[in-house]
Amino acid sequence: AQSVAQPEDQVNVAEGNPLTVKCTYSVSGNPYLFWYVQYPNRGLQFLLKYITGDNLVKGSYGFEAEFNKSQTSFHLKKPSALVSDSALYFCAVRDPPDSGYALNFGKGTSLLVTP
Amino acid sequence: NAGVTQTPKFQVLKTGQSMTLQCAQDMNHNSMYWYRQDPGMGLRLIYYSASEGTTDKGEVPNGYNVSRLNKREFSLRLESAAPSQTSVYFCASQWGGQGNQPQHFGDGTRLSIL
Repeated sequence: AQSVAQPEDQVNVAEGNPLTVKCTYSVSGNPYLFWYVQYPNRGLQFLLKYITGDNLVKGSYGFEAEFNKSQTSFHLKKPSALVSDSALYFCAVRDPPDSGYALNFGKGTSLLVTP
Repeated sequence: NAGVTQTPKFQVLKTGQSMTLQCAQDMNHNSMYWYRQDPGMGLRLIYYSASEGTTDKGEVPNGYNVSRLNKREFSLRLESAAPSQTSVYFCASQWGGQGNQPQHFGDGTRLSIL
């Protein structure tokens, strides 16, 4: 079964510092990996995806993610955090076609950026 | 551009009552999904519809039914609500194809069952 794990419930970082939100995956075959962000009382917003190609993927709002096959990781990064980046972040892996390409989500990591 | 629209946004039910959560998308997507979000558990798939006219169970289908009314609309029904179904419910849609496109989410229905 496809799955992802987010080992940190919460990440705290000061504004202007780099941030990393961790994600590891377990799949059979090549993974399709996604990051989403959720602001309070809102739905999930797509940030970026890895399907194939370059291991460094760039996405919305200055976020990027590094795919590492040997470490089975897909960590989300941003060089300089903003207070407005404070939100709940989800890593997800795509199911196979016979499961409708649904997403399997991690439990989420709450990011708090302090001024 | 509305994207994915869910109604209602909030609902309080009593145990045993029934209700239908509505979802509509205007992006001409083939696939639609219902997830539930519970604290500390991420999102879990309830049902999905890979294309108009088909529906399939996800990870947590018990106590729910779905209807893919047409290409735009995918509803979720609770026949006899239970407190364990208190959750935030999200509908999502996706173009389909080879699974390399992101899913688009509505803003959710916050359901409380007393």
